[in-house]
Amino acid sequence: NAGVTQTPKFRVLKTGQSMTLLCAQDMNHEYMYWYRQDPGMGLRLIHYSVGEGTTAKGEVPDGYNVSRLKKQNFLLGLESAAPSQTSVYFCASKGDTGELFFGEGSRLTVL
Amino acid sequence: GQSLEQPSEVTAVEGAIVQINCTYQTSGFYGLSWYQQHDGGAPTFLSYNGLDGLEETGRFSSFLSRSDSYGYLLLQELQMKDSASYFCAVREPGGGKLIFGQGTELSVKP
Repeated sequence: NAGVTQTPKFRVLKTGQSMTLLCAQDMNHEYMYWYRQDPGMGLRLIHYSVGEGTTAKGEVPDGYNVSRLKKQNFLLGLESAAPSQTSVYFCASKGDTGELFFGEGSRLTVL
Repeated sequence: GQSLEQPSEVTAVEGAIVQINCTYQTSGFYGLSWYQQHDGGAPTFLSYNGLDGLEETGRFSSFLSRSDSYGYLLLQELQMKDSASYFCAVREPGGGKLIFGQGTELSVKP
């Protein structure tokens, strides 16, 4: 039972490049989330999904797109990376009791 | 929308008791959660309060007063391993949004 797995764990991009972060969960959870964490800013919600085929905007959605084609996967895309998107990205899924299970994070640097 | 306020830093000594406060302003409310994060790793769930009162889990307790839009996390018998960041989070009613505070960095000294 792997829980929530994020790939890649580290990535360096140049400004303007695109990339996709993959989040996979094996707990059959309906709800999944993408957060970003910057020093002193806590965890800010980018997008979330309440089930397969659904997505919704969070607090800081601009510059990101998401897709939930399969229940177990939640993808976060950056179409044209900017230095302001340098951050640590956390994916999470929500269990039946409301508890969030987080992945280990993906550390992205945009030069 | 939602906004949450918690102290940025707290320092305490080993064996002591510390309280981390969280106040929130929300357009709706469905419960207050607490999470712990060590050294930028994956945050882990500590507790949840859906109703007013105290919830106890071992050395950790969490309290909620919905009328005051206020909650706190109480850590007893502090240990060095409790040095971490602690986040309160509010769940919006109806939907799936979970909004986090900016976190409190707890330093436990010998």
